[in-house]
Amino acid sequence: KAGVTQTPRYLIKTRGQQVTLSCSPISGHRSVSWYQQTPGQGLQFLFEYFSETQRNKGNFPGRFSGRQFSNSRSEMNVSTLELGDSALYLCASSLDGGMDTGELFFGEGSRLTVL
Amino acid sequence: SQKIEQNSEALNIQEGKTATLTCNYTNYSPAYLQWYRQDPGRGPVFLLLIRENEKEKRKERLKVTFDTTLKQSLFHITASQPADSATYLCAPFSGGYNKLIFGAGTRLAVHP
Repeated sequence: KAGVTQTPRYLIKTRGQQVTLSCSPISGHRSVSWYQQTPGQGLQFLFEYFSETQRNKGNFPGRFSGRQFSNSRSEMNVSTLELGDSALYLCASSLDGGMDTGELFFGEGSRLTVL
Repeated sequence: SQKIEQNSEALNIQEGKTATLTCNYTNYSPAYLQWYRQDPGRGPVFLLLIRENEKEKRKERLKVTFDTTLKQSLFHITASQPADSATYLCAPFSGGYNKLIFGAGTRLAVHP
């Protein structure tokens, strides 16, 4: 069974630009969560989608947005990039997001560098 | 506000010894607690989940305890190996459809 796939793995942008990151969950998983990881802040929860609906949201500005498609694939977008947005962005999927048994399956992440 | 604390300093131990990592939480009443391993530049990998009514759980060389009175979980790796070197993250959560929040992680270095 294929794991969680994130693209692109690495990207470099400049301040003010926008970026779109993609995540394909494990087949059959309907919940997709996004996290930002920086050395100083650790893993910070961005949002979670289930059946194309945002079910949970973290404390990030509106420049951070996401969506989920009917096939459970998800994208997140960051507009008007700032230097502080440089981070590893991780996507994780779970069967139904119910969490009672379980684990999150993480992708390898997208490493964003903002210059 | 909810807070998760893990040792911020790296834990250095000798190969063959038992590594013990601590996860403390406040303003939480988690029904479950998960532990993950993360290698540099990689996504976290799930290791173990323990429920509030379980005092201890084992998987191969791993052992997790969960004390809801102390609001603490301990994660043990017995007969540690250099390959166990990684950052270990804990994530207490209430279950249902709540978001999963992680501690900052403890970096473990096992020296030959």
